[in-house]
Amino acid sequence: AQKITQTQPGMFVQEKEAVTLDCTYDTSDPSYGLFWYKQPSSGEMIFLIYQGSYDQQNATEGRYSLNFQKARKSANLVISASQLGDSAMYFCAMHAGGTSYGKLTFGQGTILTVHP
Amino acid sequence: DGGITQSPKYLFRKEGQNVTLSCEQNLNHDAMYWYRQDPGQGLRLIYYSQIVNDFQKGDIAEGYSVSREKKESFPLTVTSAQKNPTAFYLCASSIVSPGELFFGEGSRLTVL
Repeated sequence: AQKITQTQPGMFVQEKEAVTLDCTYDTSDPSYGLFWYKQPSSGEMIFLIYQGSYDQQNATEGRYSLNFQKARKSANLVISASQLGDSAMYFCAMHAGGTSYGKLTFGQGTILTVHP
Repeated sequence: DGGITQSPKYLFRKEGQNVTLSCEQNLNHDAMYWYRQDPGQGLRLIYYSQIVNDFQKGDIAEGYSVSREKKESFPLTVTSAQKNPTAFYLCASSIVSPGELFFGEGSRLTVL
């Protein structure tokens, strides 16, 4: 079975600073993918970034980058130059093969608050 | 515009009643999903469907039922057997399964 762990219930960051949101995962399948989603207070889920297990380089999308450390089974999200609009809940998620094929499993989430 | 439409946005139900949440997508995606989110929690998978006329149970399928008669539609019925149905329900779709999920805006169900 696959599992995602986000150990930070809440994080605070000053506007314009960088912040790292932690995510560790567990799967025995060599082929998997990792996602990060943002959920503002309105409830919608916004896709941020994706990393495949065979990707050689860390994924980047604008101010978002994924610090992928395969040996440590971690996929931390780095947000550079935080903005007030980044305040939201952030979820790490993964899919893997085997009996879990087709399922996207989510972590518990981290609430990020950006201070002016 | 292409997207996923969930209705109703808010729904109140009396105990013992079944209720059906609608999910329609015009993205031509093969796979569709239903997730449940409780306050301050992550998303838990209820059911998913990778192709028309086929669906699989997720992690918390008890008390729920689905159908996938059309590619565009994946309705979720919350039955009276679901012991604690008050939650936020999110429908999603993806081009292929697995893949990036596109989400609807959610349906908030409250049992009175």
